[in-house]
Amino acid sequence: AQTVTQSQPEMSVQEAETVTLSCTYDTSESDYYLFWYKQPPSRQMILVIRQEAYKQQNATENRFSVNFQKAAKSFSLKISDSQLGDAAMYFCAQNIALGTYKYIFGTGTRLKVLA
Amino acid sequence: NAGVTQTPKFQVLKTGQSMTLQCAQDMNHEYMSWYRQDPGMGLRLIHYSVGAGITDQGEVPNGYNVSRSTTEDFPLRLLSAAPSQTSVYFCASSYLGKGAKNIQYFGAGTRLSVL
Repeated sequence: AQTVTQSQPEMSVQEAETVTLSCTYDTSESDYYLFWYKQPPSRQMILVIRQEAYKQQNATENRFSVNFQKAAKSFSLKISDSQLGDAAMYFCAQNIALGTYKYIFGTGTRLKVLA
Repeated sequence: NAGVTQTPKFQVLKTGQSMTLQCAQDMNHEYMSWYRQDPGMGLRLIHYSVGAGITDQGEVPNGYNVSRSTTEDFPLRLLSAAPSQTSVYFCASSYLGKGAKNIQYFGAGTRLSVL
C-alpha cells in the first residue's frame, strides 16, 4: 500500500530563520504529484506548493521551496525567513496515480514559530 | 468567490442519529471528495465523485453514503452515527480538465462529535 510518512510531529523555528519539514513516500508509480498543504488553527487546508514527479526541477513559491529526491522518495519543504503566520500544521500528500485525484496524506508536522 | 462551502461548521449527535453534511462548490468542478481527519492521522478519503451521477468509495467508506445529483453539491450522509465517526470532515473539489494540475480545493471543515 502507498504511504506518506512525516517523521517530525512537531518543529520549532525562530522568526526570520529557515526550517525544513521532512516527508517520505512509498509508491510504485513513476508519474505522480506531491503536495504540501498548510492547516492553520482555522482548519482551512491551504495549498502551499506542488511538485510534478516527472520534473527534476524543485518547485518554489516565494519563501517556500521543496527538495524533491525521486530516487530516495523524499519530498521536504523548506520555509525561509519564517514568519509568525507560518505557524500551522503542515501535511505532505501524494496523489495515488496520475489521472486520479485520490490523495494519501501524511500525519502532519506542527510548526511553531518563535518570536 | 465562495469556493467550497461546508455546512454546518460544528455538529453534535447522539449515537444512532442520522444527519447530512453539506458540501457545495461554485467553481464548476467535476471532481468532489470527502475526507475525515482524526488526531494523529492524516486526512483519509471516504468517498469521491467524478461527476453528477457517479460516486465511488475511498479508503474508509463504511457508515457513510453519498450521492451526486448536481455538479455543485456532494452531501455526505451518516445513517446511524457512531462514536467512531467523531472527526473533522473535509470536502474538496477539483477541475478535471487539461491544466487542472491535480490540485484539490478544500472547504473549511465540519467538526462532528458523536456522543
